[in-house]
Amino acid sequence: DTGVSQNPRHKITKRGQNVTFRCDPISEHNRLYWYRQTLGQGPEFLTYFQNEAQLEKSRLLSDRFSAERPKGSFSTLEIQRTEQGDSAMYLCASSNIGIGVYEQYFGPGTRLTVT
Amino acid sequence: SQQGEEDPQALSIQEGENATMNCSYKTSINNLQWYRQNSGRGLVHLILIRSNEREKHSGRLRVTLDTSKKSSSLLITASRAADTASYFCASINDMRFGAGTRLTVKP
Repeated sequence: DTGVSQNPRHKITKRGQNVTFRCDPISEHNRLYWYRQTLGQGPEFLTYFQNEAQLEKSRLLSDRFSAERPKGSFSTLEIQRTEQGDSAMYLCASSNIGIGVYEQYFGPGTRLTVT
Repeated sequence: SQQGEEDPQALSIQEGENATMNCSYKTSINNLQWYRQNSGRGLVHLILIRSNEREKHSGRLRVTLDTSKKSSSLLITASRAADTASYFCASINDMRFGAGTRLTVKP
């Protein structure tokens, strides 16, 4: 499967714990995006990378959230001191406008439940 | 805040009918994408229409783009029960999605 993959697919954690999600984009894609989606809503943009550079961060991304893409390939999204309001689906997408691949291809998401 | 706004929020039709969904933007539209999302699943890319295109077809899908009105529409012809899903639009420019149109196709 050469699509975008995300791990884990599901995560249940207790409030106050830290969690980390991983996203592996399509191999030739240089842009990687993170979104958060709650029930009945569209995806909310969190941040995106061009190669290893984090080019934009949403105001939704509080200090408890951090994302990295150290080698310009996979990315991790960490949430520290989780709160119940963090419960959502976290989606990753990739694209490569450099070769004309404007479309964003999404992974299956990581569903986070904070108890 | 979300930039793209889909209209209507919900749409229910009979199998075989056509479904039209609209997307409006506050800022300029560039390379607009449409996506489908089945309940609890990831987003599937349907079609991308570039800012210099006015209409694009893909199978039973027809997308139009009116940059002067900052709007786009998605038409699904001869709908099927399997088309039941939420449909979203998003501009490449700002990567913002609306709340989507929830389409229900009754068999």
